[in-house]
Amino acid sequence: AQSVTQPDIHITVSEGASLELRCNYSYGATPYLFWYVQSPGQGLQLLLKYFSGDTLVQGIKGFEAEFKRSQSSFNLRKPSVHWSDAAEYFCAVVGTNAGKSTFGDGTTLTVKP
Amino acid sequence: SAVISQKPSRDICQRGTSLTIQCQVDSQVTMMFWYRQQPGQSLTLIATANQGSEATYESGFVIDKFPISRPNLTFSTLTVSNMSPEDSSIYLCSVEDQGAPNTEAFFGQGTRLTVV
Repeated sequence: AQSVTQPDIHITVSEGASLELRCNYSYGATPYLFWYVQSPGQGLQLLLKYFSGDTLVQGIKGFEAEFKRSQSSFNLRKPSVHWSDAAEYFCAVVGTNAGKSTFGDGTTLTVKP
Repeated sequence: SAVISQKPSRDICQRGTSLTIQCQVDSQVTMMFWYRQQPGQSLTLIATANQGSEATYESGFVIDKFPISRPNLTFSTLTVSNMSPEDSSIYLCSVEDQGAPNTEAFFGQGTRLTVV
């Protein structure tokens, strides 16, 4: 069975600082990996995704993520955080169950002025 | 890609009543998924709905509580039956990318349900 772990429940960073959100997955083969963002009262928005190929993927809003098979990780990064980035971030995997996404518990990002 | 419309966007319901949530997609899709997001929690899959067959429910979810219809390839409904305050959640409809099956999923904006 596939699973996703986001070790950090809550992260606080200062505006302009760099950000890294951790995601570890469990799956027998190469999974399809996603990062979503959910702002308060809003729906899910896809930030980026990894299917195959280049392990460093670029997404929207200046985010990027790196797939590391040896570490079963897919960490999300941003070099300089903006106040508008404050939101809930979810890592998800699609594996054996066609089209069905398994989500991590989410990481809440707070941005200090 | 796919554009998903959910109705209603939010509702406040009395305990013991039922609410039917509609999910309309702008293209034909094979599989539709229903998720629940309880307050402060992540998304949990309720069931998978394929057109022309019974929905497949995940552990902890039963058809009597969450009946699902899938009358055609662009539409599905989820009913939350005999509601209690514990059913207060966001319910989301999702479809997979028909151009790249078993990969990307698209989500509706969700239905925010409060049971009082």
